[in-house]
Amino acid sequence: EVQLVESGGGLVQPGRSLRLSCAASGFTFDDYAMHWVRQAPGKGLEWVSGISWNSGSIGYADSVKGRFTISRDNAKNSLYLQMNSLRAEDTALYYCAKGSRYNWQGDAFDIWGQGTMVTVSS
Amino acid sequence: QPVLTQPPSSSASPGESARLTCTLPSDINVGSYNIYWYQQKPGSPPRYLLYYYSDSDKGQGSGVPSRFSGSKDASANTGILLISGLQSEDEADYYCMIWPSNAVVFGGGTKLTVL
Repeated sequence: EVQLVESGGGLVQPGRSLRLSCAASGFTFDDYAMHWVRQAPGKGLEWVSGISWNSGSIGYADSVKGRFTISRDNAKNSLYLQMNSLRAEDTALYYCAKGSRYNWQGDAFDIWGQGTMVTVSS
Repeated sequence: QPVLTQPPSSSASPGESARLTCTLPSDINVGSYNIYWYQQKPGSPPRYLLYYYSDSDKGQGSGVPSRFSGSKDASANTGILLISGLQSEDEADYYCMIWPSNAVVFGGGTKLTVL
């Protein structure tokens, strides 16, 4: 069964850092790009970042560029999101999503995890 | 970033068809982009439904019934998700998505109510 399981969310103060993880199983992880997509409470979807199969190409939304860093460890079938300088507007449910091909650009998100909640508040 | 416009809500009766629209801004030609569609039920992650570029270039998500289909209305610069033979389980939020550049844009979503 194809599965993505996120972890690492929680309550954090503004300006602090948090690292999210996503454990993948049921597919050949290093054959596909991976993405993070977030959803603020009661709001729509916002793409955060994408990474190609071999980490050779990475992209970020303007709203997180310079603060967030995506990475992956293909040996561990894992995706990560390092979030620094967190703001209240980063409060959201963060989903890990599998891409449908090697490169992250122009990709469909064909498998989604259940998400991990990040709350930024003092 | 461009904005994809989706009506906040739509409704239809079981067995009928629902036509959900996703309108692109005038400076982005719908004919040049894949339109991706996702379904999200309360408390669940989004589910990938399909993408549509043209009748000869389209794709269905794994396990997605054929009663979900995509199209475009070039005159309205709009992507369309058509759901035929509506079922109560189709009641959900539906999001469209495009890649106008090296970043994704989602529509605001349409809440579909099956009366």
